[in-house]
Amino acid sequence: AQKVTQAQTEISVVEKEDVTLDCVYETRDTTYYLFWYKQPPSGELVFLIRRNSFDEQNEISGRYSWNFQKSTSSFNFTITASQVVDSAVYFCALSGNQAGTALIFGKGTTLSVSS
Amino acid sequence: KAGVTQTPRYLIKTRGQQVTLSCSPISGHRSVSWYQQTPGQGLQFLFEYFSETQRNKGNFPGRFSGRQFSNSRSEMNVSTLELGDSALYLCASSPRSGDPKAFFGQGTRLTVV
Repeated sequence: AQKVTQAQTEISVVEKEDVTLDCVYETRDTTYYLFWYKQPPSGELVFLIRRNSFDEQNEISGRYSWNFQKSTSSFNFTITASQVVDSAVYFCALSGNQAGTALIFGKGTTLSVSS
Repeated sequence: KAGVTQTPRYLIKTRGQQVTLSCSPISGHRSVSWYQQTPGQGLQFLFEYFSETQRNKGNFPGRFSGRQFSNSRSEMNVSTLELGDSALYLCASSPRSGDPKAFFGQGTRLTVV
């Protein structure tokens, strides 16, 4: 079975702090994709990143960075120098052959950044 | 390029009624997927349509159905509404079936009373 676990339900930080959101996944597929989405209060899921199972390179995009480690089945997301606008619910998701075309989402982590 | 458009944004229905939600994908995208988001169950996959055919289905009762039109617009229907159907229904579009990079709309918030 495929599963995504985001153990952190809620995180609160003060602006300019760095914060890491954890994601652990389970799959028997050898080829799969991992995603991070951001959901602001408006409700729309905003795509942040996609990684395939063969690409373990870490990625940095501005203040965002992602650490993919197949050995620990983790795909963690770090926001550097957090800002109030980063406040949202963040979802990690998995897509693999077992689920067909479906995205399997974690329960999400609510990030609150205060000024 | 316009994003994924879902209508209506909000709906209030009575138990036992039926409801139809609409989703217009990004221009050129031919795959539309639907997800249900509730506080208890989180985000769950409902189904995917591509070229007017259902390609994949999640674990939901037959009261949940959908269809896709030749212009790739999709509708989702829920019959005999139950209180537990209250949720945010999100639509996602992709260029093709099996493409895991999905772009989501703002959702339709359905409240069943």
